[in-house]
Amino acid sequence: DVKVTQSSRYLVKRTGEKVFLECVQDMDHENMFWYRQDPGLGLRLIYFSYDVKMKEKGDIPEGYSVSREKKERFSLILESASTNQTSMYLCASKGAGLSYEQYFGPGTRLTVT
Amino acid sequence: ELKVEQNPLFLSMQEEKNYTIYCNYSTTSDRLYWYRQDPGKSLESLFVLLSNGAVKQEGRLMASLDTKARLSTLHITAAVHDLSATYFCAVDRSGGSNYKLTFGKGTLLTVNP
Repeated sequence: DVKVTQSSRYLVKRTGEKVFLECVQDMDHENMFWYRQDPGLGLRLIYFSYDVKMKEKGDIPEGYSVSREKKERFSLILESASTNQTSMYLCASKGAGLSYEQYFGPGTRLTVT
Repeated sequence: ELKVEQNPLFLSMQEEKNYTIYCNYSTTSDRLYWYRQDPGKSLESLFVLLSNGAVKQEGRLMASLDTKARLSTLHITAAVHDLSATYFCAVDRSGGSNYKLTFGKGTLLTVNP
């Protein structure tokens, strides 16, 4: 079974702090994704990566950056956390080819105070 | 910009009844995914639909895809309480950057005894 793990289930940070969310997958997937999920808005793509050191902006990249130094690990960075970044953050991974769905991690609920 | 609309957004059903959730999308795509999310949990893949006319069934759930109408349906047969969850459809944007999913806002399904 594909396993996608995220470093924390719950995080509380203060405004202005630098925040790191980490995601690790164990299936050698090329593609990894970061989403945020907000009530009434569904899931929105922040960034994705299709290979080590390669990244592409999603729909809402402002205020975020990412890092992928190893194939299995994809980090989301909030350079200076703000209250409007309070959300559920979901990481996903996907194998190559068209027939593979994205597998999601358990999520990190981030609260910025 | 690809738009994905689900309806209804809220669905309260009686057990043993049948119902359909609709997923309409605005631009060409022949790859559509259905996910289930239980409260406080991450997303679980239900179906991957990869071509026009694709139909997949698992237990009491059946999903279909009509790419010409840009419509997918998730049909629930003889609902049971265990099906209570939020259901998302997601469309893979065709052309350019593949693998980016645009999600609908989700349908919160409650099955009452």
